[in-house]
Amino acid sequence: GQNIDQPTEMTATEGAIVQINCTYQTSGFNGLFWYQQHAGEAPTFLSYNVLDGLEEKGRFSSFLSRSKGYSYLLLKELQMKDSASYLCAVRDGDYKLSFGAGTTVTVRA
Amino acid sequence: IAGITQAPTSQILAAGRRMTLRCTQDMRHNAMYWYRQDLGLGLRLIHYSNTAGTTGKGEVPDGYSVSRANTDDFPLTLASAVPSQTSVYFCASSDEREGSDTQYFGPGTRLTVL
Repeated sequence: GQNIDQPTEMTATEGAIVQINCTYQTSGFNGLFWYQQHAGEAPTFLSYNVLDGLEEKGRFSSFLSRSKGYSYLLLKELQMKDSASYLCAVRDGDYKLSFGAGTTVTVRA
Repeated sequence: IAGITQAPTSQILAAGRRMTLRCTQDMRHNAMYWYRQDLGLGLRLIHYSNTAGTTGKGEVPDGYSVSRANTDDFPLTLASAVPSQTSVYFCASSDEREGSDTQYFGPGTRLTVL
């Protein structure tokens, strides 16, 4: 089976930076996705990495190292509305998405 | 407004009853998926369809069936519900013509089986 690990919870202060790490072991690799999910809502797409390196999209950046089976999502200038669960998902060799259990980020004033 | 709709929003069901969760998308995406989300376990794939007329089994298919008669609709049926099927169910769709083939999710159905 696929194995995707990310921390369960993180807490940070408004205006700060938080880095959410994700490590994976999958049968094949065809891309890594990050989703944001507010409580009681659907996951919404944040970022996609298929090649090594950093992808920047406004306050959010995502990094991938395929050789290390590692990614991180960087959230800058944290806002209260960033309090949510962040899901790491890997598309495997069969082109199926496997999800980590999610990291709940709490932003405090 | 383009997107994915799911019905019902929530449902309480007696064990042993049959239930169909509905999913419709109007983005003309070729692929559709059903996931369940349980606390601490993340999203798990139940069934998928790469194109109308075809379906496949995901990680946790037992007790569920799907059909894909057309591009837009992808219903999920629980033939005889059991309490372990209490979960939040999300439908998703994607389009391989889009470079990343990103999956987009519907609002979910919260199902409780008693």
